[in-house]
Amino acid sequence: DAGITQSPRHKVTETGTPVTLRCHQTENHRYMYWYRQDPGHGLRLIHYSYGVKDTDKGEVSDGYSVSRSKTEDFLLTLESATSSQTSVYFCAISERANEKLFFGSGTQLSVL
Amino acid sequence: SQQGEEDPQALSIQEGENATMNCSYKTSINNLQWYRQNSGRGLVHLILIRSNEREKHSGRLRVTLDTSKKSSSLLITASRAADTASYFCATGLMDSNYQLIWGAGTKLIIKP
Repeated sequence: DAGITQSPRHKVTETGTPVTLRCHQTENHRYMYWYRQDPGHGLRLIHYSYGVKDTDKGEVSDGYSVSRSKTEDFLLTLESATSSQTSVYFCAISERANEKLFFGSGTQLSVL
Repeated sequence: SQQGEEDPQALSIQEGENATMNCSYKTSINNLQWYRQNSGRGLVHLILIRSNEREKHSGRLRVTLDTSKKSSSLLITASRAADTASYFCATGLMDSNYQLIWGAGTKLIIKP
């Protein structure tokens, strides 16, 4: 996981509270992604970024927002956490769009 | 069924044997990628094969791609205990630069 860190690694929160997950990279890669991983499912894209302040929605973006004010940081915010957002969240980076993604170690989020 | 389905869902073999996993997809692709995920960790990129390629090797890994059958296989030769992990295929779609479609993975267990 060299070059990409996620924080926090674990988070327990209550329904209705806002939550922000952080992804930080030192690789200067242009593309950054937020995925969620749930048992029995492949990874599902939440949001992605193709440059500073350039972001777009993925397939499961409802209830999530992102911001990228610097190349190295990509923030994922759950505006009002729900139990269905309990999941493992992965940040990934790549030099080319959707090729050879490098993943962070993940954040285990539990919404009670 | 989903794009990028792996088969089998689970595979258990003896150390030293070869392991083969398959991935099928539905729509035209630019590339197909294989990733490994050890328990509790982020995904690690293994191999990317482009739609105009038929076979690629990396160490003990061999990936084939048959675009006429819309399928790929990942062969791990001379398996080791450290190969125990989940393996995922991801397809880069022809009509989207930002969408990777992930399968649900094959869980590989190498018995010592």
